[in-house]
Amino acid sequence: GAGVSQSPSNKVTEKGKDVELRCDPISGHTALYWYRQSLGQGLEFLIYFQGNSAPDKSGLPSDRFSAERTGGSVSTLTIQRTQQEDSAVYLCASSLGASGHNEKLFFGSGTQLSVL
Amino acid sequence: DQQVKQNSPSLSVQEGRISILNCDYTNSMFDYFLWYKKYPAEGPTFLISISSIKDKNEDGRFTVFLNKSAKHLSLHIVPSQPGDSAVYFCAASGAGGTSYGKLTFGQGTILTVHP
Repeated sequence: GAGVSQSPSNKVTEKGKDVELRCDPISGHTALYWYRQSLGQGLEFLIYFQGNSAPDKSGLPSDRFSAERTGGSVSTLTIQRTQQEDSAVYLCASSLGASGHNEKLFFGSGTQLSVL
Repeated sequence: DQQVKQNSPSLSVQEGRISILNCDYTNSMFDYFLWYKKYPAEGPTFLISISSIKDKNEDGRFTVFLNKSAKHLSLHIVPSQPGDSAVYFCAASGAGGTSYGKLTFGQGTILTVHP
C-alpha cells in the first residue's frame, strides 16, 4: 500500500495479557516512530527507529513496553502484562529519515487498544 | 509537564469566517513548530510548519504565526470550510535533540465549521 499500515485496527484484551501491535511503514522510509494518544490527551512519543542506529526509547513509559524493527521495515510494539492505563490509540509513523526540520511524518490510522 | 498546550478543547466557526487556533509552549529550546490535522479513525496528517527564524508562514488558506517572545503560535484558516472540521494538533521539535520526528504534541483542538 501507499501509506503506513497498522494492524490490528482494534484490540481488546484482558488486564495482564501481552499484546503485539504491528506497523508497516511506507516503502523507502528509513525512520519509524511510535506514538500513543490517551483519551483527551495529545500524542505522546514512545520510540524512534532510524536506519541501523540504536533506537531512541526515551518515551517508553515502563519496561513492559518494547519495540522491534526487523530488516529496517516492519515494526512490532509489544506491551507485556497490560494494565488498564495502557488503553489508548497507538499510532505509528514513518518518514524519509533524511533528517532536518523538513522531515514530514506520515501516520497510520492507529490501533485502538482497550484493556479490560 | 505539558510543554505544548492547546487551551481551547474546541472551536466552532461559521463557514466562510476565520478560524484561529492557538498554541502555547514552555520549552525555549523548541525551534520548529508544526500543525497536524486529524479526522476520526484516521492518523494525523501534516498541515503546515514554521521555523523559529520566521514569524509567519502561509500556505493557501492556512497561515501560521509564531511569537517567540510570548512562546505562542496560532493557526489561521480563512475562509473556513466544513471540510476543515477536524482535530488540530500543534507540535514542536528541536529541544536539543537530533530526532526531528520526535515531536511534542498539544492536546488538540476540535474545530467544527458550520455550513
